Amino acid sequence: DGGITQSPKYLFRKEGQNVTLSCEQNLNHDAMYWYRQDPGQGLRLIYYSQIVNDFQKGDIAEGYSVSREKKESFPLTVTSAQKNPTAFYLCASSMRQTGELFFGEGSRLTVL
Amino acid sequence: DAKTTQPNSMESNEEEPVHLPCNHSTISGTDYIHWYRQLPSQGPEYVIHGLTSNVNNRMASLAIAEDRKSSTLILHRATLRDAAVYYCILWGNAGNMLTFGGGTRLMVKP
Repeated sequence: DGGITQSPKYLFRKEGQNVTLSCEQNLNHDAMYWYRQDPGQGLRLIYYSQIVNDFQKGDIAEGYSVSREKKESFPLTVTSAQKNPTAFYLCASSMRQTGELFFGEGSRLTVL
Repeated sequence: DAKTTQPNSMESNEEEPVHLPCNHSTISGTDYIHWYRQLPSQGPEYVIHGLTSNVNNRMASLAIAEDRKSSTLILHRATLRDAAVYYCILWGNAGNMLTFGGGTRLMVKP
């Protein structure tokens, strides 16, 4: 089945450690996105990529990094520079022409 | 980026129609209006989108004002499973990026 897969679903880390969240899609979508969601809030865009080997900062990119070496994959690294990393992270992909977003199930990161 | 404004919350009775409004006064001519909904601890789910004309699908209808500065998502018969946060967002060719606001939390009473 086609879809978008995020892993891990739950992740606990100590303060000061870098963490990488995986996002893989087999929908042949050109564009991929990372969003952050805090409790009771809407989604905020961290990074997005419209094509392989290219990505752009979203509204809250500080403390995060991404790569887009393959069309199918768009991993997000939460670095130690991110001051408040505990959140629900959502990855999405879309065809550039339609914009309809397909979301993964999310990764919940808790920093202890 | 074009932004949208939605009420924070709305209530509905089960099996009654629900009209969820969205204002987007700064919409540009090429922006599509998209609606998504999100259940707790899940990723958002696509509902419907449109450009100028009203749209219908199996989940909902989208009514777009003639000046395109507002739109309304219509759920024809609300069920308990429709209780979710509904997001109205704009997608434009130029940025190819979708910005989410706070959305409307829909509560459905049995």
